[in-house]
Amino acid sequence: DADVTQTPRNRITKTGKRIMLECSQTKGHDRMYWYRQDPGLGLRLIYYSFDVKDINKGEISDGYSVSRQAQAKFSLSLESAIPNQTALYFCATSDWQLNQPQHFGDGTRLSIL
Amino acid sequence: AQKVTQAQTEISVVEKEDVTLDCVYETRDTTYYLFWYKQPPSGELVFLIRRNSFDEQNEISGRYSWNFQKSTSSFNFTITASQVVDSAVYFCALKDTGFQKLVFGTGTRLLVSP
Repeated sequence: DADVTQTPRNRITKTGKRIMLECSQTKGHDRMYWYRQDPGLGLRLIYYSFDVKDINKGEISDGYSVSRQAQAKFSLSLESAIPNQTALYFCATSDWQLNQPQHFGDGTRLSIL
Repeated sequence: AQKVTQAQTEISVVEKEDVTLDCVYETRDTTYYLFWYKQPPSGELVFLIRRNSFDEQNEISGRYSWNFQKSTSSFNFTITASQVVDSAVYFCALKDTGFQKLVFGTGTRLLVSP
């Protein structure tokens, strides 16, 4: 089983719908992150959480919200989806030590029509 | 502010050629960490290497090598004798003690043709 699991892997939905992307991890890491990837823009940080009681906005948080339900679970919601939120979304985890790499899920490909 | 620049958007080579992917970074911290990730066509992100700011030793792993130069704020990645399986998007990323989160470059797409 994957250490970082994202569900769903693919989703097509319509403008205005509420969508939740889920992430769970078995690595025991406290830190979790949500990124979106757009062609030519790399990965940009949406939200991050350094522990269960800690939630922080990243560089592109507008239109998104998150919930850290447990150490192992971190969900991303689009309250009212719009077409320019069509992207590849990644969840990641890391240890508290800065020299440790982030470990990524396989991504969720989201298309908003 | 932290920044990572990968000026090469796309590189095309023929199998067995050597190729270097450039990465230039900016940070005000004296302690920081640099990473390379590979994203194959299947889409997942694969961690390749980490380098900390106080270790300027170059590293070689099989056909892969990394050249870290603090004087030019660069952390370049070379693939020797490229193979079709090396075709992917490669990301350079920076984490420093101030921001404590990964900042990614925009990626370089490498196409290796047979």
